[in-house]
Amino acid sequence: GESVGLHLPTLSVQEGDNSIINCAYSNSASDYFIWYKQESGKGPQFIIDIRSNMDKRQGQRVTVLLNKTVKHLSLQIAATQPGDSAVYFCAENTDSWGKLQFGAGTQVVVTP
Amino acid sequence: DGGITQSPKYLFRKEGQNVTLSCEQNLNHDAMYWYRQDPGQGLRLIYYSQIVNDFQKGDIAEGYSVSREKKESFPLTVTSAQKNPTAFYLCASSTWGRSSSTDTQYFGPGTRLTVL
Repeated sequence: GESVGLHLPTLSVQEGDNSIINCAYSNSASDYFIWYKQESGKGPQFIIDIRSNMDKRQGQRVTVLLNKTVKHLSLQIAATQPGDSAVYFCAENTDSWGKLQFGAGTQVVVTP
Repeated sequence: DGGITQSPKYLFRKEGQNVTLSCEQNLNHDAMYWYRQDPGQGLRLIYYSQIVNDFQKGDIAEGYSVSREKKESFPLTVTSAQKNPTAFYLCASSTWGRSSSTDTQYFGPGTRLTVL
Protein backbone atom coordinates (compact mmCIF):
# COMPACT_ATOMS: atom_id res chain seq x y z
CA GLY A 1 0.00 0.00 0.00
CA GLU A 2 0.89 3.68 -0.09
CA SER A 3 3.67 4.51 2.35
CA VAL A 4 2.30 7.91 3.20
CA GLY A 5 3.64 7.55 6.72
CA LEU A 6 7.28 7.28 5.66
CA HIS A 7 9.44 9.72 7.65
CA LEU A 8 6.40 11.40 9.19
CA PRO A 9 6.17 12.35 12.86
CA THR A 10 4.59 9.43 14.69
CA LEU A 11 2.22 9.45 17.63
CA SER A 12 1.93 6.12 19.40
CA VAL A 13 -1.24 5.78 21.47
CA GLN A 14 -2.58 2.95 23.58
CA GLU A 15 -6.05 1.77 22.68
CA GLY A 16 -8.63 3.54 24.80
CA ASP A 17 -6.45 6.56 25.53
CA ASN A 18 -7.09 10.02 24.13
CA SER A 19 -4.95 11.28 21.24
CA ILE A 20 -3.88 14.84 20.57
CA ILE A 21 -2.48 15.72 17.17
CA ASN A 22 -1.00 19.15 16.70
CA CYS A 23 -0.59 21.38 13.69
CA ALA A 24 1.05 24.77 13.29
CA TYR A 25 -0.33 26.75 10.40
CA SER A 26 1.43 29.44 8.46
CA ASN A 27 -0.99 32.14 7.33
CA SER A 28 -2.55 34.42 9.93
CA ALA A 29 -5.21 35.36 7.34
CA SER A 30 -6.44 31.78 6.95
CA ASP A 31 -10.11 31.58 7.87
CA TYR A 32 -10.96 27.91 7.49
CA PHE A 33 -9.25 24.75 8.68
CA ILE A 34 -9.87 21.07 8.04
CA TRP A 35 -8.60 17.82 9.49
CA TYR A 36 -8.32 14.79 7.21
CA LYS A 37 -7.59 11.14 7.95
CA GLN A 38 -5.74 9.06 5.38
CA GLU A 39 -5.40 5.30 5.60
CA SER A 40 -2.70 3.53 3.67
CA GLY A 41 -3.36 3.48 -0.07
CA LYS A 42 -6.57 5.51 0.20
CA GLY A 43 -7.68 9.08 -0.36
CA PRO A 44 -7.96 11.53 2.56
CA GLN A 45 -11.25 11.37 4.45
CA PHE A 46 -12.82 14.50 5.94
CA ILE A 47 -12.99 14.40 9.75
CA ILE A 48 -13.93 17.84 11.00
CA ASP A 49 -13.54 21.50 10.10
CA ILE A 50 -13.53 24.82 11.92
CA ARG A 51 -13.81 28.43 10.87
CA SER A 52 -11.69 31.22 12.29
CA ASN A 53 -14.61 32.76 14.19
CA MET A 54 -14.63 29.70 16.45
CA ASP A 55 -12.03 28.30 18.84
CA LYS A 56 -13.54 24.86 19.41
CA ARG A 57 -15.74 22.44 17.56
CA GLN A 58 -16.82 18.95 18.51
CA GLY A 59 -17.80 15.97 16.44
CA GLN A 60 -18.26 12.31 17.17
CA ARG A 61 -15.26 11.37 19.35
CA VAL A 62 -13.25 14.25 17.88
CA THR A 63 -12.66 17.83 18.92
CA VAL A 64 -10.77 20.51 17.03
CA LEU A 65 -9.22 23.44 18.88
CA LEU A 66 -8.03 26.60 17.18
CA ASN A 67 -5.64 29.08 18.77
CA LYS A 68 -5.28 31.99 16.36
CA THR A 69 -2.90 33.86 18.64
CA VAL A 70 -0.16 31.28 18.16
CA LYS A 71 -1.49 29.87 14.86
CA HIS A 72 -2.04 26.43 16.28
CA LEU A 73 -4.61 23.79 15.50
CA SER A 74 -5.15 20.52 17.33
CA LEU A 75 -7.27 17.43 16.86
CA GLN A 76 -8.31 15.44 19.89
CA ILE A 77 -9.57 11.89 19.47
CA ALA A 78 -11.33 10.40 22.45
CA ALA A 79 -10.98 6.72 23.35
CA THR A 80 -8.67 5.94 20.46
CA GLN A 81 -9.45 2.72 18.61
CA PRO A 82 -7.36 0.52 16.28
CA GLY A 83 -9.35 1.88 13.34
CA ASP A 84 -7.99 5.34 14.14
CA SER A 85 -4.53 4.27 12.99
CA ALA A 86 -3.77 6.46 9.96
CA VAL A 87 -2.01 9.61 8.84
CA TYR A 88 -3.77 12.80 9.92
CA PHE A 89 -3.41 16.03 7.92
CA CYS A 90 -4.41 19.54 8.78
CA ALA A 91 -5.24 21.95 5.97
CA GLU A 92 -5.76 25.71 5.98
CA ASN A 93 -7.61 27.87 3.50
CA THR A 94 -5.15 30.45 2.28
CA ASP A 95 -7.08 32.55 -0.22
CA SER A 96 -10.53 33.71 -1.23
CA TRP A 97 -11.44 30.94 -3.66
CA GLY A 98 -10.64 28.08 -1.32
CA LYS A 99 -7.13 26.93 -2.05
CA LEU A 100 -5.97 24.61 0.73
CA GLN A 101 -2.44 24.34 2.09
CA PHE A 102 -1.74 20.93 3.62
CA GLY A 103 0.63 20.02 6.41
CA ALA A 104 2.97 17.04 6.03
CA GLY A 105 0.86 14.88 8.33
CA THR A 106 1.22 12.88 11.55
CA GLN A 107 1.21 9.09 11.64
CA VAL A 108 -0.97 7.78 14.48
CA VAL A 109 -0.30 4.22 15.60
CA VAL A 110 -2.74 2.64 18.04
CA THR A 111 -1.30 -0.13 20.15
CA PRO A 112 -3.38 -2.73 22.00
CA ASP B 1 -14.51 8.52 -0.93
CA GLY B 2 -18.02 9.94 -1.38
CA GLY B 3 -19.19 10.32 -4.97
CA ILE B 4 -15.75 10.76 -6.46
CA THR B 5 -14.23 7.98 -8.52
CA GLN B 6 -10.74 7.73 -9.90
CA SER B 7 -9.45 5.20 -12.37
CA PRO B 8 -7.37 3.23 -12.67
CA LYS B 9 -6.22 2.48 -9.12
CA TYR B 10 -2.76 1.50 -10.34
CA LEU B 11 -1.11 2.70 -13.54
CA PHE B 12 2.25 1.87 -15.06
CA ARG B 13 3.88 4.00 -17.70
CA LYS B 14 7.03 3.76 -19.72
CA GLU B 15 9.28 6.76 -19.87
CA GLY B 16 8.38 9.11 -22.71
CA GLN B 17 4.70 8.21 -22.71
CA ASN B 18 1.77 10.42 -21.84
CA VAL B 19 -0.89 8.96 -19.58
CA THR B 20 -4.34 10.21 -18.57
CA LEU B 21 -5.88 9.74 -15.13
CA SER B 22 -9.64 9.81 -14.82
CA CYS B 23 -11.67 11.67 -12.17
CA GLU B 24 -15.46 11.70 -12.07
CA GLN B 25 -17.82 13.13 -9.44
CA ASN B 26 -21.58 12.89 -9.03
CA LEU B 27 -21.81 15.38 -6.16
CA ASN B 28 -22.81 18.28 -8.43
CA HIS B 29 -19.73 20.14 -7.23
CA ASP B 30 -18.54 23.13 -9.21
CA ALA B 31 -14.86 22.96 -8.28
CA MET B 32 -12.44 20.12 -8.90
CA TYR B 33 -8.79 19.71 -8.02
CA TRP B 34 -5.78 17.50 -8.72
CA TYR B 35 -3.11 16.89 -6.11
CA ARG B 36 0.09 14.94 -6.06
CA GLN B 37 1.31 13.11 -2.95
CA ASP B 38 4.83 11.81 -2.40
CA PRO B 39 5.91 9.69 0.59
CA GLY B 40 6.34 11.72 3.75
CA GLN B 41 4.88 14.85 2.23
CA GLY B 42 1.59 16.66 2.24
CA LEU B 43 -0.57 17.18 -0.81
CA ARG B 44 0.60 19.56 -3.51
CA LEU B 45 -1.84 21.21 -5.89
CA ILE B 46 -1.35 20.55 -9.59
CA TYR B 47 -4.41 22.12 -11.25
CA TYR B 48 -7.85 23.27 -10.22
CA SER B 49 -11.06 24.20 -11.96
CA GLN B 50 -13.87 26.30 -10.56
CA ILE B 51 -16.26 25.99 -13.50
CA VAL B 52 -16.61 24.10 -16.75
CA ASN B 53 -14.22 25.12 -19.52
CA ASP B 54 -11.95 26.97 -17.10
CA PHE B 55 -8.97 25.79 -15.06
CA GLN B 56 -5.95 27.29 -13.33
CA LYS B 57 -2.42 26.13 -12.58
CA GLY B 58 -1.59 25.14 -9.06
CA ASP B 59 1.80 25.03 -7.41
CA ILE B 60 3.33 22.23 -9.50
CA ALA B 61 1.61 22.35 -12.92
CA GLU B 62 4.71 21.82 -15.07
CA GLY B 63 4.49 18.57 -17.03
CA TYR B 64 0.76 18.17 -16.48
CA SER B 65 -2.36 19.17 -18.42
CA VAL B 66 -6.09 19.06 -17.69
CA SER B 67 -9.44 19.66 -19.34
CA ARG B 68 -12.90 20.46 -17.93
CA GLU B 69 -15.42 19.84 -20.68
CA LYS B 70 -18.07 18.51 -18.30
CA LYS B 71 -18.94 19.47 -14.75
CA GLU B 72 -18.59 15.86 -13.63
CA SER B 73 -15.19 15.14 -15.16
CA PHE B 74 -11.68 16.53 -14.69
CA PRO B 75 -9.06 14.28 -16.35
CA LEU B 76 -5.36 14.82 -15.70
CA THR B 77 -2.71 14.04 -18.32
CA VAL B 78 0.80 13.37 -17.11
CA THR B 79 3.03 14.22 -20.02
CA SER B 80 6.51 13.03 -20.88
CA ALA B 81 7.75 16.46 -19.80
CA GLN B 82 7.06 15.63 -16.15
CA LYS B 83 10.48 14.69 -14.84
CA ASN B 84 9.46 12.62 -11.84
CA PRO B 85 5.88 11.42 -12.33
CA THR B 86 5.89 8.44 -10.00
CA ALA B 87 3.50 9.43 -7.21
CA PHE B 88 0.04 9.00 -5.73
CA TYR B 89 -2.47 11.28 -7.51
CA LEU B 90 -5.58 12.50 -5.75
CA CYS B 91 -8.62 14.20 -7.20
CA ALA B 92 -10.96 16.28 -5.06
CA SER B 93 -14.11 18.32 -5.51
CA SER B 94 -16.04 20.95 -3.60
CA THR B 95 -18.81 23.43 -3.99
CA TRP B 96 -17.20 26.69 -4.92
CA GLY B 97 -17.31 29.33 -2.21
CA ARG B 98 -18.67 32.29 -4.07
CA SER B 99 -19.20 34.09 -0.79
CA SER B 100 -16.62 34.52 1.90
CA SER B 101 -17.20 30.98 3.10
CA THR B 102 -15.12 28.12 1.93
CA ASP B 103 -16.35 24.63 1.38
CA THR B 104 -14.76 21.34 2.23
CA GLN B 105 -12.87 19.41 -0.41
CA TYR B 106 -13.77 15.75 -0.69
CA PHE B 107 -11.26 13.31 -2.13
CA GLY B 108 -11.36 10.32 -4.43
CA PRO B 109 -9.53 7.05 -3.69
CA GLY B 110 -6.42 8.01 -5.68
CA THR B 111 -4.37 6.60 -8.55
CA ARG B 112 -0.86 5.30 -8.00
CA LEU B 113 1.28 6.02 -11.05
CA THR B 114 4.59 4.25 -11.51
CA VAL B 115 7.02 5.03 -14.30
CA LEU B 116 9.02 2.02 -15.38
